[in-house]
Amino acid sequence: DQQVKQNSPSLSVQEGRISILNCDYTNSMFDYFLWYKKYPAEGPTFLISISSIKDKNEDGRFTVFLNKSAKHLSLHIVPSQPGDSAVYFCAASAGDDKIIFGKGTRLHILP
Amino acid sequence: KAGVTQTPRYLIKTRGQQVTLSCSPISGHRSVSWYQQTPGQGLQFLFEYFSETQRNKGNFPGRFSGRQFSNSRSEMNVSTLELGDSALYLCASSSGLADSPLHFGNGTRLTVT
Repeated sequence: DQQVKQNSPSLSVQEGRISILNCDYTNSMFDYFLWYKKYPAEGPTFLISISSIKDKNEDGRFTVFLNKSAKHLSLHIVPSQPGDSAVYFCAASAGDDKIIFGKGTRLHILP
Repeated sequence: KAGVTQTPRYLIKTRGQQVTLSCSPISGHRSVSWYQQTPGQGLQFLFEYFSETQRNKGNFPGRFSGRQFSNSRSEMNVSTLELGDSALYLCASSSGLADSPLHFGNGTRLTVT
């Protein structure tokens, strides 16, 4: 049973526009959410996180929004740049339990 | 600060053999987690070690095992390899506290023939 779901396997966005990546979760005990970015032949790189006591967290071009009632979070990248082309993983955990990852969304930034 | 180091980067084994993968965490990190990545399956959690004790475990068969040493370095062992074990194995370290992100190594690519 998938507790963290990324329903879009891929997404294409024009350079300079906003990229919005979505993630849904089923476990209401999750209280910490993260986004990772992965290039081929490299390990995932931590991007940004949010605690369940917040509904928004911003770091430069990256903003994560959390909607607890809908069990939904999203990552906004503004403006999108060519180097943002990668696979993005959403992840979640409850307390110090294991961090569970979604299957990823491949983002293509078009010139 | 040095990142998470995994060795070897690539490994080719045959069915039935066993393999040991190694991970050196970021200095000061006491938690090491292992994940398996296969195409279309994302990152599947194997287990987590904290202060030499297995703290969390995923849903993998007993052929997959691990351990952590007093210096926080960790090893993962897979016995009686199967073709389906071919994957990228990722190690990640963290402080081990709640709400602390994982920091990943570049993985070991295991191919079973």
